[in-house]
Amino acid sequence: QKEVEQDPGPLSVPEGAIVSLNCTYSNSAFQYFMWYRQYSRKGPELLMYTYSSGNKEDGRFTAQVDKSSKYISLFIRDSQPSDSATYLCAMISGGSNYKLTFGKGTLLTVNP
Amino acid sequence: KAGVTQTPRYLIKTRGQQVTLSCSPISGHRSVSWYQQTPGQGLQFLFEYFSETQRNKGNFPGRFSGRQFSNSRSEMNVSTLELGDSALYLCASSWGGLSNEQFFGPGTRLTVL
Repeated sequence: QKEVEQDPGPLSVPEGAIVSLNCTYSNSAFQYFMWYRQYSRKGPELLMYTYSSGNKEDGRFTAQVDKSSKYISLFIRDSQPSDSATYLCAMISGGSNYKLTFGKGTLLTVNP
Repeated sequence: KAGVTQTPRYLIKTRGQQVTLSCSPISGHRSVSWYQQTPGQGLQFLFEYFSETQRNKGNFPGRFSGRQFSNSRSEMNVSTLELGDSALYLCASSWGGLSNEQFFGPGTRLTVL
């Protein structure tokens, strides 16, 4: 079982839809949880960062972490064509050797 | 503020050769980390350097190495290239390390023939 599992999609939604992106993980040592967005031919950019269970909201984006179920989600409200990109979840485990692990990414297309 | 820059942007090599990639972090950032991105494996962490010292390391063979200079610029070297090393190599910088926001460069596309 991979440490981080993410449905690669692709996911296609109409403009204005609510999008739900999810990752599951198996390593209980993960302490920090992030979502990155990557446009074609660009490097990833950080969207959301959290280290506790619960919800964190930033504009149209909400990150949700459930450590008991080892499950994280990213919700996008009122999706726009400019949201079309690959979304990657990422997690960091602590200890003597920090380990940063990414999901494989979900390709999202928002159709006007 | 200038972003993270990577050179070269594209590179073609043959099996058995070695390659060196360069990364210039955002001014003031002391942490530089390197990643390999492929369609099959996704984005994988290679290593992180902070103040010229390798601080964290992923699960890659010793053919992958790096270094960081006193001005925080970093280089990554891959020796004895294999076809499977064809990938997009990304570097990212942050002020404090992996638990801080990583700012990614555009990547170097390496093709091994």
